[in-house]
Amino acid sequence: EVQLVESGGGLVQPGRSLGLSCAASGFTFDNYALHWVRQRPGKGLEWVSGISWNSNNIDYADSVKGRFTISRDNAKNSLFLQMNGLRAEDTALYYCTKNKRGAGGARATFDYWGQGTLVTVSS
Amino acid sequence: DIQMTQSPSSLSASVGDRVTITCQASQDITNYLNWYQQKPGKAPKLLIYDASNLETGVPSRFSGSGSGTDFIFTISSLQPEDIATYYCQQYDNLPWTFGQGTKVEIK
Repeated sequence: EVQLVESGGGLVQPGRSLGLSCAASGFTFDNYALHWVRQRPGKGLEWVSGISWNSNNIDYADSVKGRFTISRDNAKNSLFLQMNGLRAEDTALYYCTKNKRGAGGARATFDYWGQGTLVTVSS
Repeated sequence: DIQMTQSPSSLSASVGDRVTITCQASQDITNYLNWYQQKPGKAPKLLIYDASNLETGVPSRFSGSGSGTDFIFTISSLQPEDIATYYCQQYDNLPWTFGQGTKVEIK
């Protein structure tokens, strides 16, 4: 059974940093691209960032480019999101998601989602 | 960025009704479109990929169609457990973008 478990969320002041983690199991981790998708309270879904199976291809939404860094550790079946310079508008539930297509599949179809970790940016 | 416009934003229908949601892309996305269901307090769930392919384990009352810029998501016979918000998502071009969602309620 595929499982994605996010951690690291919490309350943080504007301008500060926070790191999120996602522990994966139940699939061949290094065969798939992974993504972060967020959902602001009461709002819709927003893709944040994605990383290919071998970390060679990394993409960001314009809203987080230059502030957030995605990475993965295939030896530990883990995905990360380092968030710097946090703003109030980054307040959201952050989901770790798996791409449906395996290695080489660049187009994003999110077939498994974690339960999310809540990030609140407030003074 | 490709804008995805869903309609309606919300709808109320009776159990057994046929429900239709439309999604329009701001440019041609071929068939690179997914549909997700999000129940209250839960993570989204993939229902339809490549515009019309049913994800494994998803009931056959859910279906999708369309190509280019215009897409349709259908629930052939609405069930109480289908109460949720439904989102379309394009994966033709980065950044991957979602529609604003359609909230489905029981009348």
